[in-house]
Amino acid sequence: EAGVAQSPRYKIIEKRQSVAFWCNPISGHATLYWYQQILGQGPKLLIQFQNNGVVDDSQLPKDRFSAERLKGVDSTLKIQPAKLEDSAVYLCASSRWGLAGRGAGEQFFGPGTRLTVL
Amino acid sequence: AQSVTQLDSQVPVFEEAPVELRCNYSSSVSVYLFWYVQYPNQGLQLLLKYLSGSTLVESINGFEAEFNKSQTSFHLRKPSVHISDTAEYFCAVTSNNNDMRFGAGTRLTVKP
Repeated sequence: EAGVAQSPRYKIIEKRQSVAFWCNPISGHATLYWYQQILGQGPKLLIQFQNNGVVDDSQLPKDRFSAERLKGVDSTLKIQPAKLEDSAVYLCASSRWGLAGRGAGEQFFGPGTRLTVL
Repeated sequence: AQSVTQLDSQVPVFEEAPVELRCNYSSSVSVYLFWYVQYPNQGLQLLLKYLSGSTLVESINGFEAEFNKSQTSFHLRKPSVHISDTAEYFCAVTSNNNDMRFGAGTRLTVKP
C-alpha cells in the first residue's frame, strides 16, 4: 500500500509571497489532516477533513491559511501571504476512520514539506 | 480539551542501557494514547498505541508503554536501546472527537 504523498518536500519563499502544498492520502482513507510542526515543537493540528467536509479548523489562521479537499481525496494547503513565523514543516496525515474507537487515531503521516520564509 | 506533557526534551543514553521517556496527559474524558517516532528527515511513524484492554502495550522493536489512569501517564520504556533508536519521540492523545494533541517531543540520543 502506498503511503501518504506530499509535495514539494522543500520550499523557500520571501515573506508576503504565496505558497501551496499538496497531499495525496492513502487510498480509501476518509480522514485527512494538516499539521504544522515548528522546530522544537510537536505537530499542531491546523485542519481536519472527513471526506470533503471540514471537521475541525479551529487552529487554522484563516486570515492567511486556506485548505480544500474538493473530491474527498487530494488536498491542498495554501498560505497567502506568508510570514516569517510560518517557517515550519507542514505534515499531512490520513486515517481510515474519522471517529475514535474504529481504528482510533491511527494516522499515517507523509514526509512533510519544509517551508522556509525569508 | 486534552493536552500532553513530555517531561524531558532530550534524553542521552548509552547503547544497551535502559531508557524511559515520560509522558503525562490531561483530559476530562476517556482517552486513546499513542507514541510516534520521527527519524531524521522522515515523517512520523506510529510506534504503539493504547485504545482499551491491557494497559501494557508493546511495539515490534522492543518498546513498551503502560497506561496508568491514576497517574495520567503513558511512559515509554525499552530495556536495552540500540544506536538505531536515535530519533524524536512524540506522545499523543485523542478522545472521541479524534482531535489528536501531541507533546513537544523527546529527542533520544543513543551513544556508543
